[in-house]
Amino acid sequence: AQKITQTQPGMFVQEKEAVTLDCTYDTSDPSYGLFWYKQPSSGEMIFLIYQGSYDQQNATEGRYSLNFQKARKSANLVISASQLGDSAMYFCAMREDTNAGKSTFGDGTTLTVKP
Amino acid sequence: DGGITQSPKYLFRKEGQNVTLSCEQNLNHDAMYWYRQDPGQGLRLIYYSQIVNDFQKGDIAEGYSVSREKKESFPLTVTSAQKNPTAFYLCASKGGQFYNEQFFGPGTRLTVL
Repeated sequence: AQKITQTQPGMFVQEKEAVTLDCTYDTSDPSYGLFWYKQPSSGEMIFLIYQGSYDQQNATEGRYSLNFQKARKSANLVISASQLGDSAMYFCAMREDTNAGKSTFGDGTTLTVKP
Repeated sequence: DGGITQSPKYLFRKEGQNVTLSCEQNLNHDAMYWYRQDPGQGLRLIYYSQIVNDFQKGDIAEGYSVSREKKESFPLTVTSAQKNPTAFYLCASKGGQFYNEQFFGPGTRLTVL
């Protein structure tokens, strides 16, 4: 079974609007971390936001927030006030703390921001 | 400036040749990782190292080899045994247990002709 599932291969959003990118995960480890990375066309991976499995509050970083629903095993990324520079590939990843700190990545969602 | 460097950015090799991809970091991170990315797909872990002189296989280690003789360096060799080596290769590092995210290098795009 896939550990990280991103069901939206591509998403479109109008500039200045909010968008939610979906991510569900599968683990039996009680201690884990969830990450979102942005990959522009240049190929570099840019860290956006982190949520620990024991964190009580949803993580936020500027225009990025992570909607963490532990019981549903989902960790959706919300981007508010989209900008043209947000057009990129977005990856959800999970680190299981009993698995030597290795991370597993989803297949990504391509976000296109329209002017 | 602290960061991770990978060289070269683009690499072309003939089929059957071994090739070594460089990864250097000056972040004083203990852990380093190599990932492979195929077009339109996510990252898959090739090898990782948590300390100097120690490394472990990831999910797709066959046809690859690594070394970790120095904390700063984690080179990846793509051998002729790797059946489909053309891909984008990303190196990453991570700080100690109080740090969460991995920091990535700019990547090397390998094309085998």
